[in-house]
Amino acid sequence: AQSVAQPEDQVNVAEGNPLTVKCTYSVSGNPYLFWYVQYPNRGLQFLLKYITGDNLVKGSYGFEAEFNKSQTSFHLKKPSALVSDSALYFCAVRDGGSGNTGKLIFGQGTTLQVKP
Amino acid sequence: EPEVTQTPSHQVTQMGQEVILRCVPISNHLYFYWYRQILGQKVEFLVSFYNNEISEKSEIFDDQFSVERPDGSNFTLKIRSTKLEDSAMYFCASRRQGSSGTGELFFGEGSRLTVL
Repeated sequence: AQSVAQPEDQVNVAEGNPLTVKCTYSVSGNPYLFWYVQYPNRGLQFLLKYITGDNLVKGSYGFEAEFNKSQTSFHLKKPSALVSDSALYFCAVRDGGSGNTGKLIFGQGTTLQVKP
Repeated sequence: EPEVTQTPSHQVTQMGQEVILRCVPISNHLYFYWYRQILGQKVEFLVSFYNNEISEKSEIFDDQFSVERPDGSNFTLKIRSTKLEDSAMYFCASRRQGSSGTGELFFGEGSRLTVL
């Protein structure tokens, strides 16, 4: 079965510094990977996805993610963190084992705290 | 920008009561989903819906749950007899038809259900 793991419950970074939120995946077949962000009491907002092609994927709000097949990772990155980036971040993988429902399986989430 | 809308934003109910959560997916989307998030926990898949029928459901989605698309625009989740453990944030999501189901899901803001 497809799964993703986010090894860090929380990541703390100072404003202006680069940030990385880690995600590793386990899939059979081609990995389709996604990142979402959730602000307090809000829904999940799509940031970016990797389907195929360039290993560096650019997304919304200056975020990018690097797909690494050998390390089965899809880490979320941003060169310079903002306080407003503080939120809960979810990595997700499309469950290819269930036909074409397009269902996503989410990791447990990582809280990003950016301090001024 | 089109968005998924959910009502109510918050519902408080007594254990054993029926609850209906409503969603209006993005108009040209064809795949619909319900997820739930118990406070502080991961986002869990409940059910996917396509072509007026359930395409997949999780173990959580037992006989107490049902979904319906009664009028071509609304997509509802009904819980027949609520239990305390049903207290959670429920998210509706939709996806347009895409190649091999690689499209991202668009989420609503959620409906918080509190069962007393």
